[in-house]
Amino acid sequence: QVHLQESGPGLVKPSQTLSLTCTVFNDSISGGDYYWSWIRQPPGKGLEWIGYIFYSGTTYYKPSLDSRLTISLDTSKNQFSLKLTSVTAADTAVYYCARGGGCSSSNCAIDYWGQGTLVTVSS
Amino acid sequence: DIQMTQSPPSLSASIGDRVTITCQASQDINNYLNWYQQTPGRAPNLLIFDASNLATGVPSRFSGSGSGTDFSLIISSLQPEDVATYYCQHYANLPLTFGGGTKVEIK
Repeated sequence: QVHLQESGPGLVKPSQTLSLTCTVFNDSISGGDYYWSWIRQPPGKGLEWIGYIFYSGTTYYKPSLDSRLTISLDTSKNQFSLKLTSVTAADTAVYYCARGGGCSSSNCAIDYWGQGTLVTVSS
Repeated sequence: DIQMTQSPPSLSASIGDRVTITCQASQDINNYLNWYQQTPGRAPNLLIFDASNLATGVPSRFSGSGSGTDFSLIISSLQPEDVATYYCQHYANLPLTFGGGTKVEIK
């Protein structure tokens, strides 16, 4: 069973950088078939897909976040990461890492999700 | 961006009822649509992919249909464990977007 686990600070000050890491278990992020996504959910609100990375390093970022967002891979640790700069209170959300976001040989769905981690932006 | 509009935003139904949730895309997305279930305090879980294909382990009381701009998720006989918020999501192009969600409760 594929398992994903987010890690990182739960509190970030305004204007600083939000950094999260996702560790993937029982699958290889460099295996070449899957995209690896970040999705967030503000408290009490809906889901927002913010971007993905492919094993080749190809990325796509949601345009409204493009200037602040970086998603990267560390294949040696089977991890991928998110960095969001210049955060504001509007970036407060549960952040999920997930497998999917592009089409694999199986489907074009987001089929495995981490449990999510709440990041609060506050001074 | 393609806008996904779900209705109703919430509903309350009795155990055993047939429940229908609709999702409308702002442009033709063929059948490039997935459905997810999110139970309180948990991460979303894939229910249906490609508009009508049941994901592994999903009970057969769930079904999906539609193509183009109009889609439906049907629960044929509502069970207590189906209390959740349901989201549609398109993958016709980037960025991916989700509907606003439909919260299902037991009457």
